[in-house]
Amino acid sequence: GQNIDQPTEMTATEGAIVQINCTYQTSGFNGLFWYQQHAGEAPTFLSYNVLDGLEEKGRFSSFLSRSKGYSYLLLKELQMKDSASYLCAPMDSNYQLIWGAGTKLIIKP
Amino acid sequence: GAGVSQTPSNKVTEKGKYVELRCDPISGHTALYWYRQSLGQGPEFLIYFQGTGAADDSGLPNDRFFAVRPEGSVSTLKIQRTERGDSAVYLCASRSPRDSYGYTFGSGTRLTVV
Repeated sequence: GQNIDQPTEMTATEGAIVQINCTYQTSGFNGLFWYQQHAGEAPTFLSYNVLDGLEEKGRFSSFLSRSKGYSYLLLKELQMKDSASYLCAPMDSNYQLIWGAGTKLIIKP
Repeated sequence: GAGVSQTPSNKVTEKGKYVELRCDPISGHTALYWYRQSLGQGPEFLIYFQGTGAADDSGLPNDRFFAVRPEGSVSTLKIQRTERGDSAVYLCASRSPRDSYGYTFGSGTRLTVV
């Protein structure tokens, strides 16, 4: 079957760094996406990895290991506005995104 | 349009009534997806259109749910004999086949069945 596993909730301090891990199992693989979703809003695209390694984009970086079925999202210099849910979503062989429940990130001053 | 537009943004309906939810995708996006999302959960896949045809409707929970996309652009999700358990945010997303950057989501329709 297809499965996504990421922590339900994490707490971090403003200005710090946090890493959100995701393990996945899918039928085929066409890359992995990270989305950010603020409460009451739609998910917005953050990053896409299709090859192994680290993709850096400003304060956010995303890492992928296809052999391990593992990805992480790294957020640096945390700001209060980063409080949101972060959804790991691999794309299967049919180009369908497979969604987990997401990780709720709480930023404290 | 510039983004994915969903209407209405909020819909309150009585149990047993019929509702229609509309999605207007980004111009030129041939792929269109409907999801529903409950509080604290990730999006739950309902149906996927490629052009005018439903390429995958395996996520529709039962025959009360139906969706159309007659001209390959705007899509309508139709729910008959609504039940309280249908209450959720219904999200629409579209994607261009030339775009590797995933889906662009609309703001969703919050459906409340009372």
